[in-house]
Amino acid sequence: DARVTQTPRHKVTEMGQEVTMRCQPILGHNTVFWYRQTMMQGLELLAYFRNRAPLDDSGMPKDRFSAEMPDATLATLKIQPSEPRDSAVYFCASGLAGAYEQYFGPGTRLTVT
Amino acid sequence: GDSVTQMEGPVTLSEEAFLTINCTYTATGYPSLFWYVQYPGEGLQLLLKATKADDKGSNKGFEATYRKETTSFHLEKGSVQVSDSAVYFCALIPGARGNTGKLIFGQGTTLQVKP
Repeated sequence: DARVTQTPRHKVTEMGQEVTMRCQPILGHNTVFWYRQTMMQGLELLAYFRNRAPLDDSGMPKDRFSAEMPDATLATLKIQPSEPRDSAVYFCASGLAGAYEQYFGPGTRLTVT
Repeated sequence: GDSVTQMEGPVTLSEEAFLTINCTYTATGYPSLFWYVQYPGEGLQLLLKATKADDKGSNKGFEATYRKETTSFHLEKGSVQVSDSAVYFCALIPGARGNTGKLIFGQGTTLQVKP
């Protein structure tokens, strides 16, 4: 049963600390998305990759957020330095280019104190 | 810009009641439309989709019809179960320049079904 996995599932950190979230897309999927979910803003697209190349990161605060795909089996989202307003659930999703369905991971719940 | 508007929740129903969750959209061109469902503590799952006008998406007893004339994609189910309790998201992928995969979500509607 192929699934998107995300680690860690929960993260509590202090303001100013670096946070790294990891995602393993479904094997064979060539498109990876990062979303953020908050009560106030709902679900927002932060960035997405196709064939490991970033296609759009316009939803991401550039000064503190960075997203990469070191290889086809790993996507990372880093926040440095973290701030309380970054507290949210971060979802990774993967899919195939040209297909409509995106498969979501269980999310990383980040709390910045 | 492109956007999706859903009815506010929570929606509370008794088991076997009829469900409607309203969704309207604003988009240029011909977007593809989706309903995703999020169960507590989990990620989103695609429930159904429609990629062109008048298409009806259906799955697990849920249905939604792509109505271009009213820019709507309302979710319906004839008889809800307690296990349908979840948050439902209406979403679109803009139609311009092909399928980029960039989902734009509505705010979500919480459904609570009581026995």
